[in-house]
Amino acid sequence: AQKVTQAQTEISVVEKEDVTLDCVYETRDTTYYLFWYKQPPSGELVFLIRRNSFDEQNEISGRYSWNFQKSTSSFNFTITASQVVDSAVYFCAPLTGANNLFFGTGTRLTVIP
Amino acid sequence: DSGVTQTPKHLITATGQRVTLRCSPRSGDLSVYWYQQSLDQGLQFLIQYYNGEERAKGNILERFSAQQFPDLHSELNLSSLELGDSALYFCASSERNRNYNEQFFGPGTRLTVL
Repeated sequence: AQKVTQAQTEISVVEKEDVTLDCVYETRDTTYYLFWYKQPPSGELVFLIRRNSFDEQNEISGRYSWNFQKSTSSFNFTITASQVVDSAVYFCAPLTGANNLFFGTGTRLTVIP
Repeated sequence: DSGVTQTPKHLITATGQRVTLRCSPRSGDLSVYWYQQSLDQGLQFLIQYYNGEERAKGNILERFSAQQFPDLHSELNLSSLELGDSALYFCASSERNRNYNEQFFGPGTRLTVL
């Protein structure tokens, strides 16, 4: 069995603040992949990042960074110097053995100008 | 733009009716996935096809069916529609049937059942 938890339902920050979105993935699998997707108000799902369970090195891409810690089953996502355009729902999604994405409940981020 | 197209964008129909949603994957992608996003169930996987064959099934109702054609486009058929079927239906595609390939999503079809 597997379980993905995005405990933060909604977060509001003021523009230029940093914000971290939490994701906890519990599984008995030793090998797995984790994805983050963004769903802006327009509704489409945008792929952000993919990480595998063997790679715990943090990754930075512009204002985005990801911190994956296998020991705590956490795959957190940080936006630095947030902007209004970052307002969206962010989904953490592990890939199941059946090769489909298992989406968390999502965290709605609102960046206030 | 992900390169995945879905038609129609919006669909309004009545209970008991049948509709067909269409998806064209990115050029070269062999895998197509269907997901449903509703307020009750969140985002959940329905079904996957790879090069014309069904590969995985999720929480897809028996009233729903899908297929992938030789040109790789896919259709999701929803029949005997109920109010609870109102949702956003996404199609996604990936290059191969590998579990590390990112899936690219289409813009979705918003289905409203009245």
